[in-house]
Parts: sequence; C-alpha cells; structure tokens
Amino acid sequence: GESVGLHLPTLSVQEGDNSIINCAYSNSASDYFIWYKQESGKGPQFIIDIRSNMDKRQGQRVTVLLNKTVKHLSLQIAATQPGDSAVYFCAENQNAGGTSYGKLTFGQGTILTVHP
Amino acid sequence: DAGVTQSPTHLIKTRGQHVTLRCSPISGHKSVSWYQQVLGQGPQFIFQYYEKEERGRGNFPDRFSARQFPNYSSELNVNALLLGDSALYLCASSFSGMNTEAFFGQGTRLTVV
Repeated sequence: GESVGLHLPTLSVQEGDNSIINCAYSNSASDYFIWYKQESGKGPQFIIDIRSNMDKRQGQRVTVLLNKTVKHLSLQIAATQPGDSAVYFCAENQNAGGTSYGKLTFGQGTILTVHP
Repeated sequence: DAGVTQSPTHLIKTRGQHVTLRCSPISGHKSVSWYQQVLGQGPQFIFQYYEKEERGRGNFPDRFSARQFPNYSSELNVNALLLGDSALYLCASSFSGMNTEAFFGQGTRLTVV
C-alpha cells in the first residue's frame, strides 16, 4: 500500500548544529517528493522538492537526499536555528511524471526542537 | 504576491450542520487540492481540482464535496457534520495538475461540537 513514514518522531538539537530528518517511503512508483515545515497554527510551508531522477538537491541551508534503492529521503538543515523549530513532513507524489493528477501522501511528521 | 488564502480561519459548528470552506489559489495557479489534518497527523488528501474539473478524490465519505470556479477559487462543503470532522482543513495550490510545487494556505480550523 501507499505510505510515507518517518523514523524519528522527535529530534532535539543545539543551535548551530546540523539536523537530519529522515523519511521512508514504500511506493516505488513515487516520482516526486516535497519537504514541508509546519509551525504551530499554520499551514505547511514548502521547503524543497526533488524528483526521482535526482539524488540530491540543495537549497538555502537545506539539502534533500533521495536514495531510491532503499526508498529513503532525508532533509539536512545546516546551522540549525531556533526559528527552525517546527514539525517537518515529507510528502510523496505518485503522478508528477504523468498527466493525471497529483495526490500528495504525507508522513506523520518529525518534531524538531532547537535549543539556544 | 498574495499566497493561498483560506476563509474563515476558525469555525465552530454543531453536529448535523453543514459547512462551506473557501480557498483562493496563488494567482496563475490552476490546481487546488484540499486536505484534512487532524491533530498529531500529517494532512490527508480529500480532493484535487484542476481547470474546474475533479481530478482526484481521497478516501472520504460522500458528505464531502467540492467545486472549483472559473477564477480557480474553490469551495469545500461538508454536510451532516460529525465530531470526527473537527480538524484543520488545508488548501494547496499548484500551477500544474500534477501538484508539483504545491503551496498551502494557513488552513481553516473547524471545530464540531
């Protein structure tokens, strides 16, 4: 069946450290992935995306790695700041390469807490 | 540019009532998707509309319906509300029907009492 899951429900780091948030997906047909950040009381905020024909993509202070062999996705945040504290979700899209539609399937989320 | 806007931000309804939630996508975006997020979980897909046609439907009862207007805004309707419908309802917009680079609104917090 379809599922996107996270290995660790919570992650606590010190300010300035690098953070790594992991995500496992089970549907090998998924061809597009997005990481979202959600702060309390707000909607998910787009962070970075990656297509299945890529292994790595970098943004500002963030890097997403995709390992299709083991169906694993990770989000790396460099020099983590207190403002990065939030719930992080990975989402997979199984139809991005097709012409039908794009349903995002979300994982449960990881709570990232950054201590000053 | 305005992002995805949803209204209202909060709503309290009684069991059995119906509710209409509204979403305006980012200018130029033609796809609108609706998600339900209960506390402690990730968003669950309800509907996607693209170019005013339903493109996808999640595993939700027929009490849930939606539509998209010519200006690409959208409404989500829920009839015969149950306590379990209490959740954050999120709207996401995307330029393409494939929902790449989907951006979310702030959500509507629905409480059913």
